[in-house]
Amino acid sequence: DTAVSQTPKYLVTQMGNDKSIKCEQNLGHDTMYWYKQDSKKFLKIMFSYNNKELIINETVPNRFSPKSPDKAHLNLHINSLELGDSAVYFCASSSTGGTEAFFGQGTRLTVV
Amino acid sequence: AQRVTQPEKLLSVFKGAPVELKCNYSYSGSPELFWYVQYSRQRLQLLLRHISRESIKGFTADLNKGETSFHLKKPFAQEEDSAMYYCALSVGTYKYIFGTGTRLKVLA
Repeated sequence: DTAVSQTPKYLVTQMGNDKSIKCEQNLGHDTMYWYKQDSKKFLKIMFSYNNKELIINETVPNRFSPKSPDKAHLNLHINSLELGDSAVYFCASSSTGGTEAFFGQGTRLTVV
Repeated sequence: AQRVTQPEKLLSVFKGAPVELKCNYSYSGSPELFWYVQYSRQRLQLLLRHISRESIKGFTADLNKGETSFHLKKPFAQEEDSAMYYCALSVGTYKYIFGTGTRLKVLA
């Protein structure tokens, strides 16, 4: 059983397109995150949601819009994709007050 | 400012040699620190956390508040330790800050 799953695993798309990445966790956690890993392997937090509410938005362009329909899901929608959006995006979850974050396998987004 | 610094991008050691992956942090509160590991083609996973004071796969890390460090150590490296290692700082309940990562290569 996969704890945190993301789809798709790979995504290649053209500049200007709109795309979504889905994330689901079956751990019963109430906090979910999106991280971006750039070409230099630097992991930077983008968003944090707790109980479907946005807690952290780390100055991410508003072309990125997360949506949490329920505690187990946190999807990432990206409008008007740019070349610089190419990266690996990781979803993660944790319990409030918990000390471990569980990560998905990552989605490699390539914008051409 | 909240920051995690891993000064080495790449660390190569021979099998059986000691390993130390450096991590320094900057945080005004009480730090909660972790080491995460990403093996090739696998997801990021927790290796150890400072509050547990545990040893996982032979790795240990001690929090040194005076030096604001949380270095990861292993006395004898093994080839299967080759991976990307990230030091992370939990700031508040809903945010982890990661260092830039160190790629460890253990040579036969």
